[in-house]
Amino acid sequence: QSVLTQPPSVSAAPGQKVTISCSGSSSNIGNNYVSWYQQLPGTAPKLLIYENNKRPSGIPDRFSGSKSGTSATLGITGLQTGDEADYYCGTWDSSLSARGVFGGGTKLTVL
Amino acid sequence: EVQLVESGGGLVQPGGSLRLSCAASGFTFSSYWMSWVRQAPGKGLEWVANIKQDGSEKYYVDSVKGRFTISRDNAKNSLYLQMNSLRAEDTAVYYCARVGRLSFAYWGQGTLVTVSS
Repeated sequence: QSVLTQPPSVSAAPGQKVTISCSGSSSNIGNNYVSWYQQLPGTAPKLLIYENNKRPSGIPDRFSGSKSGTSATLGITGLQTGDEADYYCGTWDSSLSARGVFGGGTKLTVL
Repeated sequence: EVQLVESGGGLVQPGGSLRLSCAASGFTFSSYWMSWVRQAPGKGLEWVANIKQDGSEKYYVDSVKGRFTISRDNAKNSLYLQMNSLRAEDTAVYYCARVGRLSFAYWGQGTLVTVSS
C-alpha cells in the first residue's frame, strides 16, 4: 500500500487531454513539493515535473503539474502514443525528515 | 552529462548479503544528496534510503532499517548500498538517483537483485 494514492489506470485517445491525480496528507504533499516521473516500458523513471509545476529542460509543455492542499495533479495534453507509460508522483514525508514517498503509479493507455 | 551506473546486483539466497554500487559522473557528486529507490517486479517505486552530501545524515524506509546501509565515497564519486539479511521481498530493480530541486532528478538504469533459494 503506497503512501500516496493514484488511480491505477487512465486512458484517452491521441490528441486528447488526460489528468492523473495524486492524493496524500498534511505530512507529505500538504507540506512539501510534489514531483512527477514517467517510466516508459523497460526503462528507468525520468523526472517530468518538479516543485509542483516546473518542467526540467527538454520536457515539452504538454506536461503540466499543479498542487492544491494535500493533492496534486499531472496533466498531459495532445496525447501521443509515445506517452504510454507508468506515471508516478513523489514527495517527502515531513514527519520523518528527508524520507521519500511515492504513489502507486498510474498506467496511461493512449487508445 | 549526468550519468549514474549501478552494479552489484544478482541472485542471492535468503539471509545473504549483497553490496550495490553506483558510479556517478558528469556532475559534482559531493554536492548532492543521493538516494536508492527500488521497484519490485511488476510493482511501483519504493524509496529505500537517502544520504547527505557528506554522509552525516542517512535515512531509511522502515522495512530495511537495521539490514541495509547506505554510504558514499566522494573521492571515488560512488554511492553504495550494503544489503544484509536479505529477504524474498527485497527482490527488485534497485535504482541510484541524484536528489535535486527536491526531486529525484536523475536515475541510473538499475540493477536487479533477486533473493531466492
